[in-house]
Amino acid sequence: AQSVAQPEDQVNVAEGNPLTVKCTYSVSGNPYLFWYVQYPNRGLQFLLKYITGDNLVKGSYGFEAEFNKSQTSFHLKKPSALVSDSALYFCAVRDDNQGGKLIFGQGTELSVKP
Amino acid sequence: KAGVTQTPRYLIKTRGQQVTLSCSPISGHRSVSWYQQTPGQGLQFLFEYFSETQRNKGNFPGRFSGRQFSNSRSEMNVSTLELGDSALYLCASSLTTDTGELFFGEGSRLTVL
Repeated sequence: AQSVAQPEDQVNVAEGNPLTVKCTYSVSGNPYLFWYVQYPNRGLQFLLKYITGDNLVKGSYGFEAEFNKSQTSFHLKKPSALVSDSALYFCAVRDDNQGGKLIFGQGTELSVKP
Repeated sequence: KAGVTQTPRYLIKTRGQQVTLSCSPISGHRSVSWYQQTPGQGLQFLFEYFSETQRNKGNFPGRFSGRQFSNSRSEMNVSTLELGDSALYLCASSLTTDTGELFFGEGSRLTVL
């Protein structure tokens, strides 16, 4: 079965520092990977996706993600964190064996302190 | 363009009751998916509808059901509520069924007492 794992429940970063939120995947076939963000009391918002092509994917709000096939990882990154980036981040994979539904990781709480 | 609208935003029910949640997708979007979000289980897929047909269903008991109308609006129903059904129920819409780019509503927070 397709799955993603987010090994860190929480990531703490100082404002202005680079941030990384980790995600590893397990899929059969080509992976279709996504990152979503959830702000408090809100729904999820799409950040970026990897389907094929360049391993470095750029998304919304200055975020990018690096696809690494050998390490089966799809880490989310940002060169300089903002306090407003504090939120819950979800990695997801499209499960083509089950009608294309998205399988989400458990989420990583990102806290950016001034 | 209006986003995904879910109603009600908050509701409190007691065990054994039933509840109906509503979702209006973004105009032009024909696919609607439902997810349950809890602190312990994270985001769990409930079902997906496209053009009034259920395309996909998650591993939830039969007490959870849904439907989609001709205008793409969707409802989900939970009967015989249990304490464990307390959760944030999220609806998401998309143009088609396989892009993975879902547009989520703000959710309906259900508390079962």
